[in-house]
Amino acid sequence: EVQLVESGGGLVQPGGSLRLSCAASGFTFSSYEMNWVRQAPGKGLEWVSYISSSGSTIYYADSVKGRFTISRDNAKNSLYLQMNSLRAEDTAVYYCARFASRGSARPDAFDIWGQGTMVTVSS
Amino acid sequence: DIQMTQSPSTLSASVGDRVTITCRASQSISSWLAWYQQKPGKAPKLLIYKASSLESGVPSRFSGSGSGTEFTLTISSLQPDDFATYYCQQYNSYSLTFGGGTKVEIK
Repeated sequence: EVQLVESGGGLVQPGGSLRLSCAASGFTFSSYEMNWVRQAPGKGLEWVSYISSSGSTIYYADSVKGRFTISRDNAKNSLYLQMNSLRAEDTAVYYCARFASRGSARPDAFDIWGQGTMVTVSS
Repeated sequence: DIQMTQSPSTLSASVGDRVTITCRASQSISSWLAWYQQKPGKAPKLLIYKASSLESGVPSRFSGSGSGTEFTLTISSLQPDDFATYYCQQYNSYSLTFGGGTKVEIK
């Protein structure tokens, strides 16, 4: 079964750090481009970051640029999001999501999503 | 960034109704548009990609149309399982953006 499972969420104080993980299974992880998408409580979806299949190309939303770092370990079938200098407005469920196509060299729809992990930034 | 505007934000309908949701892009995105369904506490589910292509396993009562800046998602005959929130998403560029969502409620 194709699956993504996030972990690492929790309660953190403003200015703090957190590292999210996403474990992939059921597909050739190293062939797919991956993303993080978040959803604040009661709000819509916001794309956060993208990483190419090899990890060589990375993009961020302006709202997290300079504070968040996306990475992947294809040997461990894992995706990561290092979040530093966290703010109250970063409070959200964070989803890892797979681009539908392999190696299409352009953006795509998200065909596989994890169940999400909740990050709460509060003192 | 490309802004995506969905309408309506809430829609009340009955089982069996034909439902149409609109999504407008602030600039042309060709056909690089997807539609998702999300139920409370769950991850979004891909319904439509490339504006009108039905994702595998999605019922044929769902259809998408449009290109450029105007797109629609249609549910031909609303079923009880379809009461949810629907989002459009553009993938014309790597600054991916979503619409604000349309909640389909029971009338």
